[in-house]
Order: sequence, then structure tokens, then C-alpha cells
Amino acid sequence: DAGVIQSPRHEVTEMGQEVTLRCKPISGHDYLFWYRQTMMRGLELLIYFNNNVPIDDSGMPEDRFSAKMPNASFSTLKIQPSEPRDSAVYFCASSFDGVRGYTFGSGTRLTVV
Amino acid sequence: AQSVTQPDIHITVSEGASLELRCNYSYGATPYLFWYVQSPGQGLQLLLKYFSGDTLVQGIKGFEAEFKRSQSSFNLRKPSVHWSDAAEYFCAVGDTDKLIFGTGTRLQVFP
Repeated sequence: DAGVIQSPRHEVTEMGQEVTLRCKPISGHDYLFWYRQTMMRGLELLIYFNNNVPIDDSGMPEDRFSAKMPNASFSTLKIQPSEPRDSAVYFCASSFDGVRGYTFGSGTRLTVV
Repeated sequence: AQSVTQPDIHITVSEGASLELRCNYSYGATPYLFWYVQSPGQGLQLLLKYFSGDTLVQGIKGFEAEFKRSQSSFNLRKPSVHWSDAAEYFCAVGDTDKLIFGTGTRLQVFP
């Protein structure tokens, strides 16, 4: 298995632009998690899905952030419009049942200038 | 609410020295416990996990951790640290259908 695959690895965009981050979970994993990591705030859970259905999006910072999971093998995190304070590393993780551990992707480093 | 505390933000050790990273959790039932490591520019990698049974668990890269229910702790240990162990270490506890992570401990290794 190739693991959790995220794309792009790096993204630099101008303030106000739309940004879409992508994630392919491990086949057979029913849970998918989106995290944001910054020096100031550490690792934050943004949203997670079970069987493609959003379970908890209370960590999504603002309406500018949205996430979808149209099928079991693909999820997106969209920021529109982007702002410099959105600069961070965004991780996707997947899990068989959530509570017994995750496999993380390599992350997308987002820079908004 | 369930929580995980890593009291040490930053630890510095000499190469070859022993290491212990502290983790305390708050959870009502028997917890599922984890240690993850994050090298610079990388994602989080699972080092080891505890579900039940033997309270001393072995992980990858020569790490081990001991679950102590009486102390609500799950400390990570390594007898001899290598320079390549410099990274950030996260403790986590399973909560219903997700993990609760600690704030991490950054390990610096001097030659």
C-alpha cells in the first residue's frame, strides 16, 4: 500500500486565491482526518469523516474553509479566499476505526503571501 | 474531557545518553495509547501503541513505553539516543473514534 497520499506537497498562493488540498486515504480505512499544524497552535484537528460523512467539523476555523469526501478514496480541503494566516502544514490521516491509530500523509505546506 | 499532557516542551540530551519523555493522560476507561514521531518536514509516524496486555510495549527504532495506570502515564524511553532521533514526539490517547494528541516534545540531540 502506498500509504496516505497528499497533494500538492507545497503550495504558494497569493492572498485571496482559492486553494484546494487533496488526500487519498488508505484503501479500507473508514475514517479520514484533516489536521493543521503551526508553530503557534500546534496540531489542530479541523474535520473528520466516517464512511465519507463529516462527523465533526468544529475545528474548521472559518467559513472560508470547507472539506468534502465524495467517495472512499478521495477528500479535499478548500480554502476560499485564502489569507496569510492560513499558512501552515496541512495533514491528512486515515484510520480503520479512528481510535486504534492513524496513518498520516506527508502533508501539504501552504504559504499564502 | 479526555486529554493528554506532555509536560516537557523541549528536551536536550547528548548522543548515547538515555531518554525518557513524559506523557500523562486523562481517560475514564482503559485507554488506547500511542507515541508518534515527526522528523523535520515529515508527517507523523507511529512509534508504538498500547491497547491491552503487557504494560511494557516495544516500538520501532529501539523505543519502548510503559503504561502505568496508577500514575495515568505512558512514558517513552530509549536507553541510548542517536543523533537521528532528534525530532518532535507526540503522545496520543484514543477517544471514541479519534485520537487526542498532546502538544509535543521537541528532542534535540548533541554530539
